[in-house]
Amino acid sequence: EAQVTQNPRYLITVTGKKLTVTCSQNMNHEYMSWYRQDPGLGLRQIYYSMNVEVTDKGDVPEGYKVSRKEKRNFPLILESPSPNQTSLYFCASSWDRSYNEQFFGPGTRLTVL
Amino acid sequence: QKEVEQNSGPLSVPEGAIASLNCTYSDRGSQSFFWYRQYSGKSPELIMSIYSNGDKEDGRFTAQLNKASQYVSLLIRDSQPSDSATYLCAAPHDYKLSFGAGTTVTVRA
Repeated sequence: EAQVTQNPRYLITVTGKKLTVTCSQNMNHEYMSWYRQDPGLGLRQIYYSMNVEVTDKGDVPEGYKVSRKEKRNFPLILESPSPNQTSLYFCASSWDRSYNEQFFGPGTRLTVL
Repeated sequence: QKEVEQNSGPLSVPEGAIASLNCTYSDRGSQSFFWYRQYSGKSPELIMSIYSNGDKEDGRFTAQLNKASQYVSLLIRDSQPSDSATYLCAAPHDYKLSFGAGTTVTVRA
């Protein structure tokens, strides 16, 4: 089954404790992206990757890191999480850039205390 | 100015009525536009894409694009309770896909 998977689905952590949210797709997509979704603000792009070893900032990259060492995986790293990073996070992938349908993962609900 | 704006909603319509959702975008160079549906607690899923001026119909959904006015709309005909969701408009900007804040639609039985 073609899908985007994210882990963990739910996470409660404390300020400053480094965490990684994993994202994996099995569709051989080149383009992958991370979004956060907050009430009233919609989906905002954090980082995106157009291919292996190619990543770039989205609209809200502060406090986040990403890497793309393999085509299928695109982990999101929060080196020192803060309460304002409490949000719902989605990973997405598509064939190329942003000009085609993006397939979204199930989401990760993160709470930073 | 946001790249994509949705300023209508929340929208409540009776079952069987037409729900009309609107979206404007700022990047005149955008060539493709998307409508995603997101049920509460779920991830967005693509329901319509449109690339040319005019109307595109898919079942009960019709997307309308007017590039001169930088305006995209979505009509849901014969609305059903299962259409109750948040609808997100999206358009490419640079190498990113920008989303509007969404319009929440509730279909009353």
